[in-house]
Amino acid sequence: DGGITQSPKYLFRKEGQNVTLSCEQNLNHDAMYWYRQDPGQGLRLIYYSQIVNDFQKGDIAEGYSVSREKKESFPLTVTSAQKNPTAFYLCASSIGSVGGVSYEQYFGPGTRLTVT
Amino acid sequence: ILNVEQSPQSLHVQEGDSTNFTCSFPSSNFYALHWYRWETAKSPEALFVMTLNGDEKKKGRISATLNTKEGYSYLYIKGSQPEDSATYLCAFPGNQFYFGTGTSLTVIP
Repeated sequence: DGGITQSPKYLFRKEGQNVTLSCEQNLNHDAMYWYRQDPGQGLRLIYYSQIVNDFQKGDIAEGYSVSREKKESFPLTVTSAQKNPTAFYLCASSIGSVGGVSYEQYFGPGTRLTVT
Repeated sequence: ILNVEQSPQSLHVQEGDSTNFTCSFPSSNFYALHWYRWETAKSPEALFVMTLNGDEKKKGRISATLNTKEGYSYLYIKGSQPEDSATYLCAFPGNQFYFGTGTSLTVIP
């Protein structure tokens, strides 16, 4: 089955610890994205990658880091510098963009991170 | 950052009622508008991709219209059922996707 997997579904960490969220896709998509959702807010873009070994900051990149060493994988690290890391994190992928316009995105099941 | 707005934020309807909600987006530099349905404990799933002014798309009891000149799209659900309960998101694609905050629909049996 083709799709996007995120693990784990729930993650608990102590304040001050870095934590890495996994996102893997077998859709052969070039582009991958990380979003954050907080209660009462829409999806906010953290980072995105249009191609392997390249990524760009989204609207709320501070306190996060990513890597894109393989086409299938786009892990997100929530660092201790992120002031309010407790949230729901969604990973997505798409075939990419043409003329600067992104194609339809496919989403993973999400990871709920709680930092105490 | 592009401003994509959805209203209302939440909606409760009785089973069998028809309902609609709105997505507003910038009318300049329009390429497409996407609608997604996000059920609790599942991933958002694409409903429609709308590209042409006056476009109307339909999937079962759900349909959507598009007005690119005035910058809005309506999503309609005819004869709502409990399984329609979800958050409906619209997204305006540019170099990234700009999502609205969503409309949370609850259909009461």
